[in-house]
Amino acid sequence: GVSQNPRHKITKRGQNVTFRCDPISGHTALYWYRQSLGQGLEFLIYFQGNSAPDKSGLPSDRFSAERTGGSVSTLTIQRTEQRDSAMYRCASSPRTSGSSYEQYFGPGTRLTVT
Amino acid sequence: QQPVQSPQAVILREGEDAVINCSSSKALYSVHWYRQKHGEAPVFLMILLKGGEQKGHEKISASFNEKKQQSSLYLTASQLSYSGTYFCGTETQAAGNKLTFGGGTRVLVKP
Repeated sequence: GVSQNPRHKITKRGQNVTFRCDPISGHTALYWYRQSLGQGLEFLIYFQGNSAPDKSGLPSDRFSAERTGGSVSTLTIQRTEQRDSAMYRCASSPRTSGSSYEQYFGPGTRLTVT
Repeated sequence: QQPVQSPQAVILREGEDAVINCSSSKALYSVHWYRQKHGEAPVFLMILLKGGEQKGHEKISASFNEKKQQSSLYLTASQLSYSGTYFCGTETQAAGNKLTFGGGTRVLVKP
């Protein structure tokens, strides 16, 4: 399945954090979501193959993400703020253009900013 | 703008039925349904595509009214394992290949 590391991250306000996502092998699409406690999934960014990522959901320029070699992805939050505290979930999909495919979610990284 | 789910919560007895609705203000290309149990990752249930195609579990049924931009998920003869939070995710042609998720419907099935 999709794996994410670390599973938990506690950081002090102002520090930078980076999360890693390993998608299912062969899946071309990769998504990052943020989920606050008891809330729905908020889209952050989407990678599809070698195309430019869809960054339309990133809440500020403190957030960035990369996907290297079409596989592993990292999400970085710079100068963390308390409002960034949430579960960050990665999902992958065998998506190709022209249809819609299910997304497989990872276990998430729980971020706590103190 | 995120789709609106209703009801926000429902409590059932085993064997009872329930319907969860998902409404969008935009024309939809597809609707996805996921279930999330407490402390776990969301799990895919079903995709309903514009034009009538469906992909997903045979035991779970859903409908997609393209004109009304609505989808409904039917929990029939509910089991204890149906408990969890159900999310719909909508996909529009204009938005490309990303999903916008609703706020979720909490379902509790009691013995």
